[in-house]
Amino acid sequence: SAVISQKPSRDICQRGTSLTIQCQVDSQVTMMFWYRQQPGQSLTLIATANQGSEATYESGFVIDKFPISRPNLTFSTLTVSNMSPEDSSIYLCSVASIGDTIYFGEGSWLTVV
Amino acid sequence: GENVEQHPSTLSVQEGDSAVIKCTYSDSASNYFPWYKQELGKGPQLIIDIRSNVGEKKDQRIAVTLNKTAKHFSLHITETQPEDSAVYFCAASIAVNRDDKIIFGKGTRLHILP
Repeated sequence: SAVISQKPSRDICQRGTSLTIQCQVDSQVTMMFWYRQQPGQSLTLIATANQGSEATYESGFVIDKFPISRPNLTFSTLTVSNMSPEDSSIYLCSVASIGDTIYFGEGSWLTVV
Repeated sequence: GENVEQHPSTLSVQEGDSAVIKCTYSDSASNYFPWYKQELGKGPQLIIDIRSNVGEKKDQRIAVTLNKTAKHFSLHITETQPEDSAVYFCAASIAVNRDDKIIFGKGTRLHILP
């Protein structure tokens, strides 16, 4: 299974600021995804991070609010821009290996005050 | 698109008893069904998965069954232990490595009672 490292693991942010979350995988993977999990809720896909091209966003999520980069097959970043308290969530990086198995990182727990 | 329903939302069982969590899906083309366990403060951990070419898969105390005709699949945990307390998510997808996405259920909070 892939080992996924996310940074930061936890942060408290001021409203109006932006935060970039990093995701590093220990092996090359085909797909990388970013999910949001609001308190007590299920996982909602924000976007698919595409290597060398723009991310593919799900309905309700836009690039200006959640810019994503994926410069290579093992690294991606998600930025949460102009944060408000409603952005307080767990942000999860996930990867798909050959054979369709999806693995998740431990998540980045953001609180916006 | 795919829709995954998961029941119950909360489940309490005595330690040593069995727990069953059920999910239904809507898209008959879905062929991959993973289950994740999420402990407090951690990310979801894959515990077992099943593909549509098999009806049952077992790994020690955990088993998953799939009924393609009825479009439902279930997670069975036998001889439950305190460390089984967590939130469990089912999911369904057609093929992750294409454009199709994996869709998650809303989760089941499992409490193992001493």
